[in-house]
Amino acid sequence: GENVEQHPSTLSVQEGDSAVIKCTYSDSASNYFPWYKQELGKGPQLIIDIRSNVGEKKDQRIAVTLNKTAKHFSLHITETQPEDSAVYFCAATFGNEKLTFGTGTRLTIIP
Amino acid sequence: DAGVIQSPRHEVTEMGQEVTLRCKPISGHNSLFWYRQTMMRGLELLIYFNNNVPIDDSGMPEDRFSAKMPNASFSTLKIQPSEPRDSAVYFCASSWGGGNTIYFGEGSWLTVV
Repeated sequence: GENVEQHPSTLSVQEGDSAVIKCTYSDSASNYFPWYKQELGKGPQLIIDIRSNVGEKKDQRIAVTLNKTAKHFSLHITETQPEDSAVYFCAATFGNEKLTFGTGTRLTIIP
Repeated sequence: DAGVIQSPRHEVTEMGQEVTLRCKPISGHNSLFWYRQTMMRGLELLIYFNNNVPIDDSGMPEDRFSAKMPNASFSTLKIQPSEPRDSAVYFCASSWGGGNTIYFGEGSWLTVV
């Protein structure tokens, strides 16, 4: 089955700096890679996603890159703000609706 | 849209009791998922339905767990009898079609004592 590894498990960055979270996946047939943000006491919320026919996607301060050859994808948050503090999950699927999640990264933005 | 609605938000129950968690997916979505989240195991898919039919229940831990989707707007996850190790946050999520965005509810926080 699909396996998704996520690193680091915790990350602290100074406000204004960039944060990068990396994930690798095992199934080369995977074609959809969403990122979710989970705040305390809430459900995961989609913040950005990328499909296998694209190498990079941006949405304001957030970007995701995908390297299909190496089977890894990354989340980049620039100009970090205190409200970016949360747990971030990557996920992967090969189109059968079964998302497999990474183990999460607790991001703390230091004011 | 109100999003995925789950109830109860919090439940504390005694070991051996039956627990029923409820979910209303986003209107128009035809896929529904039940996930469990714990510190040790992260987010695990328990079961998912497509057009009200269970497609994959390989994540259901054991026979004490059962899920139903009697219609397109309602699903239940039942644990009978409950055990302390079932304590977790249970999320319901829904989507339209395969490979599309999955939207999560706010979760049901279950504590079994």
